[in-house]
Amino acid sequence: AQSVSQHNHHVILSEAASLELGCNYSYGGTVNLFWYVQYPGQHLQLLLKYFSGDPLVKGIKGFEAEFIKSKFSFNLRKPSVQWSDTAEYFCAVRNTGRRALTFGSGTRLQVQP
Amino acid sequence: DTAVSQTPKYLVTQMGNDKSIKCEQNLGHDTMYWYKQDSKKFLKIMFSYNNKELIINETVPNRFSPKSPDKAHLNLHINSLELGDSAVYFCASSPQGVTTYEQYFGPGTRLTVT
Repeated sequence: AQSVSQHNHHVILSEAASLELGCNYSYGGTVNLFWYVQYPGQHLQLLLKYFSGDPLVKGIKGFEAEFIKSKFSFNLRKPSVQWSDTAEYFCAVRNTGRRALTFGSGTRLQVQP
Repeated sequence: DTAVSQTPKYLVTQMGNDKSIKCEQNLGHDTMYWYKQDSKKFLKIMFSYNNKELIINETVPNRFSPKSPDKAHLNLHINSLELGDSAVYFCASSPQGVTTYEQYFGPGTRLTVT
C-alpha cells in the first residue's frame, strides 16, 4: 500500500528565510501529487498539484514543488517565507485508478516575525 | 458561497452516544469522501461514495456508517461513540471522469468524546 513520509514534523523559520519541506512516497507507478495547506482553524486548501509534464510546478502564494520520479519525492519550496505562511502543510499522493488520497503526517511550519 | 460544508463544526458528546455529521457540496461533484484526522494531524481515508454508491470502505469499525441520500450529500453516522473516536472529520468531494482532479475539503468537524 502507498505510504507518504514527511520527515520534517515541525519547522521554525524567520521571515524571509527559504523553505523546503520534504515529501517521499513509497509506491511507484503513475501518481498524482499534491500539497495542501491548513491555516490555523481553517480547512485544507490546495497549494499545488502535479499530474504530468513539467516536474517543477508552481502553486499559489509563491510556492513551488519539484517531482523527482527517481527519488519518489515531491518537495515543497518557497524562496522567502512570510509570517502568514504559518500553517500545517500536507503532502498527498493518489495512485492512478484509486480515488482516495494518501496523506503524509504533515509538517507544522512556524514563521517568526 | 461555501463549496463543501459540514455541520456541526464542533461536537462534544459522551461515550456510548450516537451522533451524525452532515456534509454537503455545491460543486456538482460526483464523488465524496470522509477522512479522519487524528490527534497527530494524520489524515486517513474512511469512506468514499460515487453517485450514491459506496466505492471505498477502509478498515473502519462497523459503528461508522456513511449515508449518501444524493450525490451532493454524504453523512456520517457513528454509533456507540468511544474515546478513540475523538478526532477531526473532514468531508471532501471531487469530480468523476476527469483524470486531473483534486479534492475539495470542508472545514472539518471536531468531535470530542468524553
